[in-house]
Amino acid sequence: SQQGEEDPQALSIQEGENATMNCSYKTSINNLQWYRQNSGRGLVHLILIRSNEREKHSGRLRVTLDTSKKSSSLLITASRAADTASYFCATDGDRGSTLGRLYFGRGTQLTVWP
Amino acid sequence: GAVVSQHPSRVICKSGTSVKIECRSLDFQATTMFWYRQFPKQSLMLMATSNEGSKATYEQGVEKDKFLINHASLTLSTLTVTSAHPEDSSFYICSARYPFVDQPQHFGDGTRLSIL
Repeated sequence: SQQGEEDPQALSIQEGENATMNCSYKTSINNLQWYRQNSGRGLVHLILIRSNEREKHSGRLRVTLDTSKKSSSLLITASRAADTASYFCATDGDRGSTLGRLYFGRGTQLTVWP
Repeated sequence: GAVVSQHPSRVICKSGTSVKIECRSLDFQATTMFWYRQFPKQSLMLMATSNEGSKATYEQGVEKDKFLINHASLTLSTLTVTSAHPEDSSFYICSARYPFVDQPQHFGDGTRLSIL
């Protein structure tokens, strides 16, 4: 299976703290994507990092990618209560995969306490 | 604004009813759309890949006759849960993306299906 694994499964922190989530995958990839899901809603795209990139930033988000270790991390700095959600990593598979098909990790449930 | 629109957001119906869920790409033509099912506190499980003008590709273990997919136009895919039973109750989500390399998926807001 190409499905990724994320850890931790659940993370609980105070507002203002940083939150780090990790993702590992098994096969070669074109890119890796992070998504956020609020309870009962669809997924919202956060960041896409290509296989030839090592780090990417977007506002308070920082994503790293290590293709040699087949792993990625998502860092949310100065977290807010509104960041409370589930976060998923997903890989866009290599040439043998259906174009656009994503392989999702199990997700990290982040809770940020005010 | 939303790039992918999914309707309805919630359905409650009796066992044996067939339920249709629509997924529309609003800004672009989507030759491929994806349908997922999600159980509480779990990840998304790909059910099928919807291909415009041809048959859908179903994942292993997904019943084709139970979950009918139609992708008759470049902006609309529908999932019909036929003769739904309580075990079909779940959260169904569709997605689509711009047809270029290294583009993210855009997801609908999901449909909460409850079969009584």
